[in-house]
Amino acid sequence: EVQLVQSAAELKKPGESLTISCQASGYSFSSHFTGWVRQMPGKGLEWMGSIYPGDFDARYSPSFQGHVTIAADKSTSTVYLQWRSLKASDTAMYYCVRQVGIAMGGTHFDYWGHGTLVTVSS
Amino acid sequence: QSALTQPASVSGSPGQSITISCTGTSSDVIPYNYVSWYQQHPGKAPKLMIFDVTNRPSGVSNRFSGSKSGNTASLTISGLQAEDEAHYYCSSYTSRSSVVFGKGTKVTVL
Repeated sequence: EVQLVQSAAELKKPGESLTISCQASGYSFSSHFTGWVRQMPGKGLEWMGSIYPGDFDARYSPSFQGHVTIAADKSTSTVYLQWRSLKASDTAMYYCVRQVGIAMGGTHFDYWGHGTLVTVSS
Repeated sequence: QSALTQPASVSGSPGQSITISCTGTSSDVIPYNYVSWYQQHPGKAPKLMIFDVTNRPSGVSNRFSGSKSGNTASLTISGLQAEDEAHYYCSSYTSRSSVVFGKGTKVTVL
């Protein structure tokens, strides 16, 4: 059974750094793109980017390029989403997703984690 | 890249059919048959309902169907049921090898 288990909710202050995680199981981790989708409070879904753990090829949405870093650890089948300096506008639910499909990088998301709520407030 | 265009809300009575539209551009919906649809109930993670325009994942009811014509993809829900009340999001692969979502449609079962 495919599972994406995400880290717990976080409460941080503006300017702080943060890394949240997603541990995958039930499939060949290195052979599938795994990515992140943001959902701000009361808003829609936004694809942030994804990584191919096999060669650590990371792709980002233009809207998030330079603001976050996506990394992977093949030894623990874990994908990470990292911020160097959080802003209040980063407050959102972040979903880990397995991205699949025949086009480069994958075309859709067949499995979703339960979400990690990040709250940034002074 | 701009979000795909969806109606904010659609409603229908139990047993009826409803259709949600999703309009894109020459960079996403038009050139690719890679439109997907997701259902999200309040407080829950989204669930894949349709991929590659018309395909249903295993376990998804055949009351859900997808289509595409030109720059507009559509999700049709037949035999509307109370449990179908949720937000629905379309997405498309893009020419930048990325994925763009629509802003979502709230489906209300009257």
